[in-house]
Amino acid sequence: GQNIDQPTEMTATEGAIVQINCTYQTSGFNGLFWYQQHAGEAPTFLSYNVLDGLEEKGRFSSFLSRSKGYSYLLLKELQMKDSASYLCAVMDSNYQLIWGAGTKLIIKP
Amino acid sequence: DAGITQSPRHKVTETGTPVTLRCHQTENHRYMYWYRQDPGHGLRLIHYSYGVKDTDKGEVSDGYSVSRSKTEDFLLTLESATSSQTSVYFCAISEGSGGPYEQYFGPGTRLTVT
Repeated sequence: GQNIDQPTEMTATEGAIVQINCTYQTSGFNGLFWYQQHAGEAPTFLSYNVLDGLEEKGRFSSFLSRSKGYSYLLLKELQMKDSASYLCAVMDSNYQLIWGAGTKLIIKP
Repeated sequence: DAGITQSPRHKVTETGTPVTLRCHQTENHRYMYWYRQDPGHGLRLIHYSYGVKDTDKGEVSDGYSVSRSKTEDFLLTLESATSSQTSVYFCAISEGSGGPYEQYFGPGTRLTVT
């Protein structure tokens, strides 16, 4: 079967750095996406990785290792507005997105 | 923001009644998707469309049907609503089917089946 694993919840302090991990087992791989979802709102796109390595976009970076079936999202200089759920999704061989259950990130002052 | 709207935004209905949810886009994107989101689960694909009158089933399609008669509209119908279909339903659109085409999501419809 296909499976995406992420921690259910994480807590971090404003101004700090946090790393949210995602491991996956899917039938085929055509890229990995990270989305942010604030409570009661729609998911919004953060990043896309298809090759191994680190992609940096402002305070957010995303890393991929295809051989390990592993990705992480790194958030720097945390702000209160970063309190949200972070969703990892893998595009499988049929170009369908397989979604993890999401990691709820709580930021404390 | 991508122009996607969903209607209604909230609905309460009784078991056994049919329900239709509407997704409307102004982006002229070819692909449209219906997902449901439940606590403890990732987003799960119900149906998707790759063009007018071209649709296919997703992971959790039982009890749902869809129609797309125009590029901009994608309808999801619960033929006979059950309590297990209480969920938040999201519509999404994308220009293409593969990466790096990200999906843009509508605001969601919260459906409660009593």
